Amino acid sequence: DIQMTQSPSSVSASVGDRVTITCRASQGMSYWLAWYQQKPGKAPKLLIYAASSLQSGVPSRFSGSGSGTDFTLTISSLQPEDVATYYCQQAHSFPLAFGGGTKVEIK
Amino acid sequence: QVQLVQSGAEVKKPGASVKVSCKASGYTFTSYGISWVRQAPGQGLEWMGWISTYNGDTYYVQKFQGRVTMTTDTSTSTAYMELRSLGSDDTAVYYCAKAGYGKLYWFDPWGQGTLVTVSS
Repeated sequence: DIQMTQSPSSVSASVGDRVTITCRASQGMSYWLAWYQQKPGKAPKLLIYAASSLQSGVPSRFSGSGSGTDFTLTISSLQPEDVATYYCQQAHSFPLAFGGGTKVEIK
Repeated sequence: QVQLVQSGAEVKKPGASVKVSCKASGYTFTSYGISWVRQAPGQGLEWMGWISTYNGDTYYVQKFQGRVTMTTDTSTSTAYMELRSLGSDDTAVYYCAKAGYGKLYWFDPWGQGTLVTVSS
């Protein structure tokens, strides 16, 4: 089974800052990774699929990179509406798995 | 628009069963699989399994095998998740989510979630 490890577990940054979240897989999985944003009390929302493809309607300040075992989600200029918890998800093989989440807050 | 609408909140006693529904609209139901994901209070996302809406094939995470059944009704474009022998640690919000085409296992959109509370 592929395990996903996200870091950091939380990050506090100022509006306009660049924020980077990393996700490491326990084994290589090419580009089979997705990123989700979850705001309090809401369902998760797909941001990035196939490691770096931006889902339709998602602001361009979000970007994803990586392949194999190491992946990154970047928010280029943090906005107040980006306060949320972010999850990575391996989509390579069953059982699918999510990372533990990264809570992003405004400083 | 593509939408998944889930059934309402449930309160169950330990040992009981719950069946959550997920009605799809805005797309061809049998072309995309459905996954179920749960989230305990204050915790992260936990993937439970997947069902092919095309032929009914299922995959269940080992910890739920024997206790969960995922089904679909293609006539109403509805997916169901039944969880039996509930314990307090099954208290969670349960989400259904539409998978990508074929073997693309990322999820969009998600249902609004169904809170299942297990309490004596």
